[in-house]
Amino acid sequence: LAKTTQPISMDSYEGQEVNITCSHNNIATNDYITWYQQFPSQGPRFIIQGYKTKVTNEVASLFIPADRKSSTLSLPRVSLSDTAVYYCLVEGSQGNLIFGKGTKLSVKP
Amino acid sequence: EPEVTQTPSHQVTQMGQEVILRCVPISNHLYFYWYRQILGQKVEFLVSFYNNEISEKSEIFDDQFSVERPDGSNFTLKIRSTKLEDSAMYFCARRTNEKLFFGSGTQLSVL
Repeated sequence: LAKTTQPISMDSYEGQEVNITCSHNNIATNDYITWYQQFPSQGPRFIIQGYKTKVTNEVASLFIPADRKSSTLSLPRVSLSDTAVYYCLVEGSQGNLIFGKGTKLSVKP
Repeated sequence: EPEVTQTPSHQVTQMGQEVILRCVPISNHLYFYWYRQILGQKVEFLVSFYNNEISEKSEIFDDQFSVERPDGSNFTLKIRSTKLEDSAMYFCARRTNEKLFFGSGTQLSVL
């Protein structure tokens, strides 16, 4: 089970790009990297998933270096509504999906 | 992708009582998880359930907890004798392609 390490909190302002980096030094060959977003009193919501290189969707981009020991979630031009906790998970098909403490992002006007 | 539906949204119970939390899949999925989140804390894994059997469970999932899929559709989490520290938000999630899709949760309050 790969352990992940993220910053506990980050602050940003509206309109800025936010990059949250997650370390997962013990990632296994079969593990995918998945990011979730959680608002208060709601369940985590899937944002993006990748295995290597770069993945982009309508919400975010995920950058994964060649060694896959870290990943960076990039949120372009954040708004107040992006204030949430962001979780990085790594796991393959056989394991459980364990959440760490996540990164609490605060977006200010 | 559609999420799962959880009922009830809120449950208040007395300490020592049994509670049953329900998760209704939108379609016929086989892989489910239960998580809980105590106010202000992280999301904690309880149990995973694959093809009508427990796949993995955490240390939190002791003998007071059980899961089943009684009618082949609804997926339930039962707490036999609730304790004050069981007060939390309980989330059901289905797993598809190493992604989790969560329900809106059941807020359990044990008095």
